[in-house]
Amino acid sequence: QVQLQESGPGLVKPSETLSLTCTVSSGSINNYYWNWIRQPPGKGLEWIGYIYNSGSTNYNPSLKSRVTISVDMSKNQFSLTLTSVTAADTAVYYCARERSAGMEYWGPGTLVTVSS
Amino acid sequence: QTVVTQEPSLTVSPGGTVTLTCASSTGAVTSGYYPNWFQQKPGQAPRALIYSTSSKHSWTPARFSGSLLGGKAALTLSGVQPEDEAEYYCLLYHGGGRVFGGGTKLTVL
Repeated sequence: QVQLQESGPGLVKPSETLSLTCTVSSGSINNYYWNWIRQPPGKGLEWIGYIYNSGSTNYNPSLKSRVTISVDMSKNQFSLTLTSVTAADTAVYYCARERSAGMEYWGPGTLVTVSS
Repeated sequence: QTVVTQEPSLTVSPGGTVTLTCASSTGAVTSGYYPNWFQQKPGQAPRALIYSTSSKHSWTPARFSGSLLGGKAALTLSGVQPEDEAEYYCLLYHGGGRVFGGGTKLTVL
């Protein structure tokens, strides 16, 4: 059974950088799309981007200038970096595995609050 | 940027049938948009139900089905159960990226 777990600081100051890691248990990180999605409190889901096979990335155009997704295959982890955060970036952040055009497995999510 | 539109809310009686739809601002939704559907209950992560228009995951209850209907992606629940009350999101694949719909709040009453 594939399990994903997000981790990282729950509080980030405005203008600083948000960094999160998703640890994948069971199975290789190869040959899947690894996605980040977020959900502001009380609002809908927003796709942030994905990484595929440690090199290929694709980002939401509205976030592209501030987002980087990377992978560490030796640790079975992939990461999200979001720069210059504001209160609008406060959200629950989810990681998800995608295979055959299906976003099948999701982590439980982690709340990140942007506040001074 | 592409906007994906869902009904904000729907109400269905237990045992009834309801269809949720998912439209794209760019035109008709086709199988090439690989529609996905997710169920989310309060305080929980989304759970995948349908991918590639109509394919079910191993855990998807049989009463959930996906299709294309009148230029939109559709999720039909047949024989609705009280536990189906939740928010439902669709996801479309657009030009290599992915776009979520705004969600449909389904009430079972």
